[in-house]
Amino acid sequence: AQKITQTQPGMFVQEKEAVTLDCTYDTSDPSYGLFWYKQPSSGEMIFLIYQGSYDQQNATEGRYSLNFQKARKSANLVISASQLGDSAMYFCAMREGAMDSSYKLIFGSGTRLLVRP
Amino acid sequence: DAGVIQSPRHEVTEMGQEVTLRCKPISGHNSLFWYRQTMMRGLELLIYFNNNVPIDDSGMPEDRFSAKMPNASFSTLKIQPSEPRDSAVYFCASKQGWNSPLHFGNGTRLTVT
Repeated sequence: AQKITQTQPGMFVQEKEAVTLDCTYDTSDPSYGLFWYKQPSSGEMIFLIYQGSYDQQNATEGRYSLNFQKARKSANLVISASQLGDSAMYFCAMREGAMDSSYKLIFGSGTRLLVRP
Repeated sequence: DAGVIQSPRHEVTEMGQEVTLRCKPISGHNSLFWYRQTMMRGLELLIYFNNNVPIDDSGMPEDRFSAKMPNASFSTLKIQPSEPRDSAVYFCASKQGWNSPLHFGNGTRLTVT
């Protein structure tokens, strides 16, 4: 079974508008963490935002926010005021477990976002 | 902060040859990870180390793949012998602390002909 599901292979958004990238996850572990990464065409992986399973507030980092709905097991990334430089692949990832020695980060298949001028 | 450094950036080799990919993690980071990215399979975790000790190598595809971390500042991923299906981008990443995100290197693009 897929641990991390990103159902949108590709998306378009108009510059300056907000966009939501979907991510659902599957785990029975009460302790886990959710991450979003950006991969531009140049290929590097850039960390964007993190949400812990026990965090009470939704995470925010500048124009990025995470819409964390624990009961639905979803962790959608919201990008506000899209910019042309936001065009990239976006990956959702999950870490399960509470022990550092058992740390494994599992990635979804990604969503390719294209920002239109 | 120099970030995670991988070498080489590109490697083209012939089937059957040995390939060695190198990684220098961020200073002070105690965990190191090797990932492989392909169009078909996405990002796959191959192996990871904690304090230079291999913790989980269940993602290593075959015995042809091996990884070492002789010290806290250096790791290698070796493929011997290489095959065309090993062609991919190989990422090294490191982190410090349980809740910390992974910091990725720029990757090595391997092409096996």
